Amino acid sequence: AQSVAQPEDQVNVAEGNPLTVKCTYSVSGNPYLFWYVQYPNRGLQFLLKYITGDNLVKGSYGFEAEFNKSQTSFHLKKPSALVSDSALYFCAVRDPPQLSFGAGTTVTVRA
Amino acid sequence: DAGITQSPRYKITETGRQVTLMCHQTWSHSYMFWYRQDLGHGLRLIYYSAAADITDKGEVPDGYVVSRSKTENFPLTLESATRSQTSVYFCASRERTDTQYFGPGTRLTVL
Repeated sequence: AQSVAQPEDQVNVAEGNPLTVKCTYSVSGNPYLFWYVQYPNRGLQFLLKYITGDNLVKGSYGFEAEFNKSQTSFHLKKPSALVSDSALYFCAVRDPPQLSFGAGTTVTVRA
Repeated sequence: DAGITQSPRYKITETGRQVTLMCHQTWSHSYMFWYRQDLGHGLRLIYYSAAADITDKGEVPDGYVVSRSKTENFPLTLESATRSQTSVYFCASRERTDTQYFGPGTRLTVL
């Protein structure tokens, strides 16, 4: 089965600093990887996905993710975090027909 | 409005009662999914449907029933609610691409 792991339950950063949310994957075959964000009392919103091609994927709200095959990682990044980026972030992998999600990482950006 | 909606948004019920959570999407997506979100577990798939009248079990189907008589609707029924089914339930849909789009969620409390 395909799976992802998010090694950090929480990430705390100061506004304006770089933000990284880690994700590692375990798949058979080529990985299709996703990042979603969940704001309080809201559903999950799609941020970006990696299917094939460039290892750096750009997504919504200034986020990007770097696919690293040798390290089996797909870390989410933002060069300069905003307080409004505080949310719960999920990494997911295509596991047909569904997506399999990590446990989530809570990001807190302090002013 | 276009998109995916869920009702009710909040529900409190008692053990042993039957509860139905509704999901409606306006995109005519073929695939629909029900997930539950619990702390420390991320999202776990309960049931999914590939098309009208085609449903299949996910990771945690016990105690749940689904139907899909119309493409746009995918109700989830708890036949006899238990406290362990207290959770936040998300409906999602997708078409041929693997990107899933989520509803706002239903917070269910079973007393």
